[in-house]
Amino acid sequence: GAVVSQHPSRVICKSGTSVKIECRSLDFQATTMFWYRQFPKQSLMLMATSNEGSKATYEQGVEKDKFLINHASLTLSTLTVTSAHPEDSSFYICSARDFSSETQYFGPGTRLLVL
Amino acid sequence: QKEVEQNSGPLSVPEGAIASLNCTYSDRVSQSFFWYRQYSGKSPELIMSIYSNGDKEDGRFTAQLNKASQYVSLLIRDSQPSDSATYLCAVRSNYQLIWGAGTKLIIKP
Repeated sequence: GAVVSQHPSRVICKSGTSVKIECRSLDFQATTMFWYRQFPKQSLMLMATSNEGSKATYEQGVEKDKFLINHASLTLSTLTVTSAHPEDSSFYICSARDFSSETQYFGPGTRLLVL
Repeated sequence: QKEVEQNSGPLSVPEGAIASLNCTYSDRVSQSFFWYRQYSGKSPELIMSIYSNGDKEDGRFTAQLNKASQYVSLLIRDSQPSDSATYLCAVRSNYQLIWGAGTKLIIKP
């Protein structure tokens, strides 16, 4: 199957700092990428949909100024958590949709811990 | 509001038996259906996709789709302890995947 990478896999940061997470589709082009957040023992929560070359679409309740998304190319999307706080600690997962098969593939996730 | 419903479980199945996971959806015009498996602490991985009514088999996995009744199921034959995970049903609706909350499956040796 298609491969999606995510970097970093784990990050610990101080409260108030910003953290950037990269999501790459390695062997296919992804016009659309998705960013999810998952808290322990809870289901996936879609944060935003990222389309290459245009602004991201955020789900209700997700602050677009706090979670900055950039989708500058067909293989790369980034999520920047600005001024992170302990409540932002979570498992952030990206997925990329393969345009040809309409299938979504997930990255391995980034575990963020804000102290 | 478009919804995808799954029994949260846990569903406990003895090793070697058939595990049956079910999912219902509300958007009647949905055309694409997916089953993902998520191990604890890991991201979801795609197991099966199905687009047409009927059965689709891949190894020990069989996906079943019934659009008239708006349900999709996943059967796992010869269940193994390594199949213990949360299984997520996803339905495509207007270029977006609508996710079920997942069913936790436990295979008991």
